[in-house]
Amino acid sequence: GQQVMQIPQYQHVQEGEDFTTYCNSSTTLSNIQWYKQRPGGHPVFLIQLVKSGEVKKQKRLTFQFGEAKKNSSLHITATQTTDVGTYFCAGRADYKLSFGAGTTVTVRA
Amino acid sequence: SAVISQKPSRDICQRGTSLTIQCQVDSQVTMMFWYRQQPGQSLTLIATANQGSEATYESGFVIDKFPISRPNLTFSTLTVSNMSPEDSSIYLCSVEDVWGLRPEAFFGQGTRLTVV
Repeated sequence: GQQVMQIPQYQHVQEGEDFTTYCNSSTTLSNIQWYKQRPGGHPVFLIQLVKSGEVKKQKRLTFQFGEAKKNSSLHITATQTTDVGTYFCAGRADYKLSFGAGTTVTVRA
Repeated sequence: SAVISQKPSRDICQRGTSLTIQCQVDSQVTMMFWYRQQPGQSLTLIATANQGSEATYESGFVIDKFPISRPNLTFSTLTVSNMSPEDSSIYLCSVEDVWGLRPEAFFGQGTRLTVV
């Protein structure tokens, strides 16, 4: 079955620094989505990428979909304390989403 | 966006008993899913809740353990049967308009289950 790998599992970041989380799928995806889950909360949709090589930005967040539609990345610049949480990628093949393991981000002020 | 009411929000149950979790959506949706999320872990799809027919289960999950109902387009239940401590987890319902214009999955607040 489809597997989506995500690294790193944990990211400890100094406030103001940048970081990137990466996803890789074992199969070609029709699209990939990113979600954020705050501690104690439920996953909340951030963005969807559909096209090969697509890049989308949301303020300090930059999302990229690989040319082969098998990998994706999320890059956050100038990390803030509000960025704390777990970021999941979720790849869609057929009608189901397969979630990566998530990257849990903590921020040192 | 879809508003999902999931209950109970948490429960502590004795092993061997069953718990039914309810998921109510404020609008008709095409797809409803049930996920399990163990603490600090990712989301694992249990099954797709099909309206008016048997749910479609993922590998490792069976109907006898996790019976699911979906009598209409806005409501579904997941039962965790004959519980053991290994069933302690967060259970989340999710809805999507997979074939429509809105791409995202909306999640309920989750049910935090502890089996003792």
